[in-house]
Parts: sequence; structure tokens; C-alpha cells
Amino acid sequence: DAGVTQSPTHLIKTRGQHVTLRCSPISGHKSVSWYQQVLGQGPQFIFQYYEKEERGRGNFPDRFSARQFPNYSSELNVNALLLGDSALYLCASSLDSFTDTQYFGPGTRLTVL
Amino acid sequence: EDQVTQSPEALRLQEGESSSLNCSYTVSGLRGLFWYRQDPGKGPEFLFTLYSAGEEKEKERLKATLTKKESFLHITAPKPEDSATYLCAALPGNTGKLIFGQGTTLQVKP
Repeated sequence: DAGVTQSPTHLIKTRGQHVTLRCSPISGHKSVSWYQQVLGQGPQFIFQYYEKEERGRGNFPDRFSARQFPNYSSELNVNALLLGDSALYLCASSLDSFTDTQYFGPGTRLTVL
Repeated sequence: EDQVTQSPEALRLQEGESSSLNCSYTVSGLRGLFWYRQDPGKGPEFLFTLYSAGEEKEKERLKATLTKKESFLHITAPKPEDSATYLCAALPGNTGKLIFGQGTTLQVKP
């Protein structure tokens, strides 16, 4: 079975621009979570969606938003990019939203210049 | 505040030299403790889930254990291909939010 897929793999943007990152979960998984990982640190939680509803939000500004589609895929949007948004953005999928193991995709490397 | 701390930050071992990685957690209502392996520039790869104190799980040269305050990842007779960053994450209370430690970067020399 295919694992979690993310696109694009790499992305270079300039300050002030907008970016959309995409994620497809493992088949049968209904929950998608987004994490930001800055070099040398552990991933930080951004959002979780389950059955198209937001189930959790981390300590990130309103410039960050996300949504989940009927096929359970998800988008993460970041507006007004800052240099500090440069990071590896990880998507994880799980069967449910509270107890199940989260399986991660390969990530999208975002560089903001 | 929920918190996960891993030690050491970096570990260098000779091939065959066994050791342990530590993960200390302060989390309200722990629902699960997870270990992941991460290679440079890639997403974390799932290794183990532990749900209750006293639980142990093994996979090849790796063994994970859990107490009420910490978890250990024991590496027996490591090989160079075990070199990676090992991440510990806790799932607290009524939430799907994983709380990660900063990771332990393991280097195994031949």
C-alpha cells in the first residue's frame, strides 16, 4: 500500500508570498495532521483534521490555515511568508484522531528568501 | 505544560557497542508514547507505540520500554545503518497532538 504522499517535495518562495502544501493520507485513514520541523528540532504540531473537521490547532499565527477534503486529502496554506517559516513541513495520517499511530510523509522542504 | 525531553542530544557508538536513549515526559493523561526514526531530509519513520508502564516492544536490534515518567530505546549491537535521529513523542489527554522531543542523533562507526 502507498504511504502518505506530499507535494511538492521542495519549494522556494520570497517573503510576503503565499504557499499551498498538499497531502494524501494512507488509504482508509481519516485523520490528517500537519507539523513544522525546523532544522535540529523535533516536529511542532500545527493542525489536525478528522472527517473534514478541525480537531486541534497548535500555537501558530492565523497566517497558517488548513482544510481537509471529502477524499481525506488535505492542504496547508501559509500567507504572508516570513523568513522564519523556512522548515520541513510534515503531514501525518492516522485511522482516528485521538489514539492511533500517526504515519508521516516525506515532507515538503520550504525555503523562504 | 506538556513536555518531552530526550537525552543525549548526540551519541557516537562503535559498531557492536550497545547503548540506550532516554525520553523523559511530563504529559497529562498519557495515551501513548511513540518512537520514530528520521534520516536526514526525510519524514519520521514509525518504530514503536507503547501504551502503559511496563510495556516493552522489540524490532531487530531495537527495544523500547516505558515507565510512568520515561521511555528508553535500547540499541543492541548497532550497525552503521542504524545511524539516524531517533525521535520520541507523547500523545497527551484528549488530543491527537503529538508532543515531540528534540531527538537524539546517533552515529554508529564501523
